[in-house]
Amino acid sequence: GENVEQHPSTLSVQEGDSAVIKCTYSDSASNYFPWYKQELGKRPQLIIDIRSNVGEKKDQRIAVTLNKTAKHFSLHITETQPEDSAVYFCAAFGAGNMLTFGGGTRLMVKP
Amino acid sequence: EAQVTQNPRYLITVTGKKLTVTCSQNMNHEYMSWYRQDPGLGLRQIYYSMNVEVTDKGDVPEGYKVSRKEKRNFPLILESPSPNQTSLYFCASSLREPSYEQYFGPGTRLTVT
Repeated sequence: GENVEQHPSTLSVQEGDSAVIKCTYSDSASNYFPWYKQELGKRPQLIIDIRSNVGEKKDQRIAVTLNKTAKHFSLHITETQPEDSAVYFCAAFGAGNMLTFGGGTRLMVKP
Repeated sequence: EAQVTQNPRYLITVTGKKLTVTCSQNMNHEYMSWYRQDPGLGLRQIYYSMNVEVTDKGDVPEGYKVSRKEKRNFPLILESPSPNQTSLYFCASSLREPSYEQYFGPGTRLTVT
């Protein structure tokens, strides 16, 4: 089955700096890659996603890039703000009918 | 309001005492699933359902059962809970397979002593 690895597990940045979270996946048939944000005590919520026919997608301060050849994708957050502090999960959807998640990255934005 | 609901939100129980966590969605979604969340392991899928009467195992199905008799409901059953099933559980639904946005319920924190 699919295996998704996510790095780093924790990331601390200064407010205004950029943050990058990276994920690799194993199943070359995977074609959909969402990112979820989970604030403390809350449920995960979709923040951005990308499909395999696109190399990059941007939504205001967040962007996702996909390298199908290398089987990795990344989340980029620019101009970080304290409210960006949360746990971020990447995921991959492929040949099976399941969404496989990475282990999560705890992002801390220091004011 | 479009939503996924779960009950109970918190549950403390003892080893071996059967329990059911309910999940309901009001968005007419075909796909529903259950995840457990443990520190450092992310969200791991327990079971999923593509539609009524169609269920399948996820990555960690041992010790769990599900049923999908109605489109809106997808209960998770622990016939004989054990301490290693202590976790945070999320139900989720999406319009069809998970290449559509997954909407998560609020979570159920289960402790098995």
